[in-house]
Amino acid sequence: NAGVTQTPKFQVLKTGQSMTLQCAQDMNHEYMSWYRQDPGMGLRLIHYSVGAGITDQGEVPNGYNVSRSTTEDFPLRLLSAAPSQTSVYFCASSYQRGAYEQYFGPGTRLTVT
Amino acid sequence: GIQVEQSPPDLILQEGANSTLRCNFSDSVNNLQWFHQNPWGQLINLFYIPSGTKQNGRLSATTVATERYSLLYISSSQTTDSGVYFCAVGDNTDKLIFGTGTRLQVFP
Repeated sequence: NAGVTQTPKFQVLKTGQSMTLQCAQDMNHEYMSWYRQDPGMGLRLIHYSVGAGITDQGEVPNGYNVSRSTTEDFPLRLLSAAPSQTSVYFCASSYQRGAYEQYFGPGTRLTVT
Repeated sequence: GIQVEQSPPDLILQEGANSTLRCNFSDSVNNLQWFHQNPWGQLINLFYIPSGTKQNGRLSATTVATERYSLLYISSSQTTDSGVYFCAVGDNTDKLIFGTGTRLQVFP
């Protein structure tokens, strides 16, 4: 099993550009989530999904969209990037809703200039 | 929402020393996890421990849910234990709330 994979590893965007961060898991997990990590802070939940076709907002959802058309994939879209979205983004999954025993991907480091 | 506080924020140890990291939370939880973020940024799940005690090698964790705290013990620390340790909690929602972490540096 590859576990949780994320692409790209690094990305630089200009203000106003859009992009999609990819996340995939091969463990047949129901629950998937996106977090951002800023220097000196813990992880903050952006969006999460408890199954295909079901998504909901976390603590910091503004500026981000998600969809979950398959169990395996959970992409995160930045519609119009802002410097405040410079961060490291982590995707995670767990076998059932409730975010129990989460497995994390390696992260995507995003810089918005 | 639930507040999570971790202490100490920073810890510097020599190899072989023992340490205790603490996580306090403000409300009842049914989900508590400890994670280690290594110096390369990878997050590893150490324990899922909403109550009771668990051990895994040199690491052990205890959660006293009624008093709203959890402890992570690291014995005979090694340089590979360096990194940031996060506590994360959840209640009956699907959201996990992270503390700001304890940064551990272990020197040879």
